[in-house]
Amino acid sequence: TQLLEQSPQFLSIQEGENLTVYCNSSSVFSSLQWYRQEPGEGPVLLVTVVTGGEVKKLKRLTFQFGDARKDSSLHITAAQPGDTGLYLCAGASGVGGSYIPTFGRGTSLIVHP
Amino acid sequence: NAGVMQNPRHLVRRRGQEARLRCSPMKGHSHVYWYRQLPEEGLKFMVYLQKENIIDESGMPKERFSAEFPKEGPSILRIQQVVRGDSAAYFCASSPGRTHSYEQYFGPGTRLTVT
Repeated sequence: TQLLEQSPQFLSIQEGENLTVYCNSSSVFSSLQWYRQEPGEGPVLLVTVVTGGEVKKLKRLTFQFGDARKDSSLHITAAQPGDTGLYLCAGASGVGGSYIPTFGRGTSLIVHP
Repeated sequence: NAGVMQNPRHLVRRRGQEARLRCSPMKGHSHVYWYRQLPEEGLKFMVYLQKENIIDESGMPKERFSAEFPKEGPSILRIQQVVRGDSAAYFCASSPGRTHSYEQYFGPGTRLTVT
C-alpha cells in the first residue's frame, strides 16, 4: 500500500506571508497531482508533475517534484485569503496496471486578512 | 462545457432506507471513480468503473454498497439499509481513460446524512 504523508496538517497564517507544504512517500510515483478543495466543494486539480526534479508555476504557486519522484512540495508566495482551503496531493505508480491514485490527508490552510 | 455533475447535492435518509447517488462524468470521459470523505480523514477510494465494467471495487464494503456505470446514463452508487456511519460526503471523479498522468476531475459531491 502506497502512503502519502502531508505536512503540516494545519497552517494558519496572515495575508502576505509565504508558506510551503510537503507531500512525502517511500514509494516512487509516475506522476503526482495537487488539488485544492474549498469547504462544501469537490477537489479542483491544480497541477500534475511527472518528471523528477520538475518545477511548475501557477501564478503565486510553485510546485516541485522530487528528483526520485517520491516527494513533492507546494510553495505559495504572498498568500491571500482566497488561497484558503484544503490542499491534497495524490500519486499513482501504475504498478500492476493500477490507475487508482493514492491521496494524502491534506494540509488545511487558513489565510487571515 | 459541463464539468462532473453529481446529484443530489444533499441527501437525508433515515436508518434502513436506500440512498442512491448519481454522477455524470465530463464529456468524453469514460472512467469514473467514487470516493468517500469524512472530516479530518481525507479521500478514501471506493470503486473504479468504466462503462458497463467494474474495474476495481477493493475500497467498497462488500455488503450494502454497490456501484454501476451503464452504457447510457450516469454512474450510480447505491447504499442499501443505510446506517448512521454512512453519513459522509461522497465524491465522484472522472478521467478520460488509462492515461499516464492519472488526472481526475471531481464533482461537487453529495452530502449524505443518515438520521
